[in-house]
Amino acid sequence: KQEVTQIPAALSVPEGENLVLNCSFTDSAIYNLQWFRQDPGKGLTSLLLIQSSQREQTSGRLNASLDKSSGRSTLYIAASQPGDSATYLCAGNYDKVIFGPGTSLSVIP
Amino acid sequence: GAVVSQHPSRVICKSGTSVKIECRSLDFQATTMFWYRQFPKQSLMLMATSNEGSKATYEQGVEKDKFLINHASLTLSTLTVTSAHPEDSSFYICSASLPGQGATDTQYFGPGTRLTVL
Repeated sequence: KQEVTQIPAALSVPEGENLVLNCSFTDSAIYNLQWFRQDPGKGLTSLLLIQSSQREQTSGRLNASLDKSSGRSTLYIAASQPGDSATYLCAGNYDKVIFGPGTSLSVIP
Repeated sequence: GAVVSQHPSRVICKSGTSVKIECRSLDFQATTMFWYRQFPKQSLMLMATSNEGSKATYEQGVEKDKFLINHASLTLSTLTVTSAHPEDSSFYICSASLPGQGATDTQYFGPGTRLTVL
């Protein structure tokens, strides 16, 4: 069964810290993996997309990595800001997209 | 970039009524659209895959007679929740993928519709 999990479920950090969010997937036959941000009551904002042939993608303060052999992806956020507070979802793209449960991030000013 | 819109953004209805939610791809034609549902504090779950001009494919456990999906054009898919009940209250999000790419490439997500059934 294809499953996507994320740890931690919630994370609270002081402003300015670097942090890592973790995503694991059980089936390595993944086409690509996406990281999304979701603000309360809002839709999804796509942050980064990593194709199965890629190891990492970077956008501004965000860096996402993909290791298919270990079934893991990480989202690294540098110099966190209060505006980064949101729920972060990873999603594995197989024949259909399977979402992880999300990590709720709070960045404390 | 590719933009997907949804209408309405919020809807409140009485139990037993039907509600229609529209999903539009604004600047591209989407042969495939997807409908997701998110209950509070839970992750998104795929409900169905909608292909233009054909019947939708529903995920296990999703009642096709209750959640009617119509993908009549390359830019519009609609989800109708028939005879809505309070347990149908949820956040519904659609997404669209570019032609020829199916579910294996980037999906562009709409902003979501929050349905509250009283």
